[in-house]
Amino acid sequence: KNQVEQSPQSLIILEGKNCTLQCNYTVSPFSNLRWYKQDTGRGPVSLTIMTFSENTKSNGRYTATLDADTKQSSLHITASQLSDSASYICVPRRIDADSGYALNFGKGTSLLVTP
Amino acid sequence: DGGITQSPKYLFRKEGQNVTLSCEQNLNHDAMYWYRQDPGQGLRLIYYSQIVNDFQKGDIAEGYSVSREKKESFPLTVTSAQKNPTAFYLCASSTEDTQYFGPGTRLTVL
Repeated sequence: KNQVEQSPQSLIILEGKNCTLQCNYTVSPFSNLRWYKQDTGRGPVSLTIMTFSENTKSNGRYTATLDADTKQSSLHITASQLSDSASYICVPRRIDADSGYALNFGKGTSLLVTP
Repeated sequence: DGGITQSPKYLFRKEGQNVTLSCEQNLNHDAMYWYRQDPGQGLRLIYYSQIVNDFQKGDIAEGYSVSREKKESFPLTVTSAQKNPTAFYLCASSTEDTQYFGPGTRLTVL
């Protein structure tokens, strides 16, 4: 059962434009949600982490939002740069009775920024 | 990639051969993980270890084995029993709330 849905699957935008990536999740009980950036052929790198009590968090040109009631999150990228081209992965964390917690990885949104 | 190294970066193997992927971390983290990533798919957990000499199966452990003899090292062996081993393999270690990923190993079975 896929507990994390990301949209769009892929996206192409012009350099300098803004974009918003979406993440819907069903994991429960919910602990926090993290957005990762993964460059091609590299490991994911954390961009932001949000707990259920946080609505918005920014990291430079990246702004994440979270609505824990509707189980939705978004990642907004402002004034995109060529280096933003990557896959962006949404990862909600579920409290797990056995292991303490469990991560559920979305399939990612592949972003291509063109000149 | 913050203190986690994986080697080799690219690995080729013939069908029927076992192969071991290396993962080392100098972050002093207790917990370590192995994930598999296929095109268009999310990361899937193979094995994880929360402490030395202990490890647990993840969602797709069949055809894989691990060991955790040292805190710094968590090698993954892809055995000949793994039916579809060609993939990108990621190792991670974690604090209480953050996972740090290595650069990955791309395994191709010829």
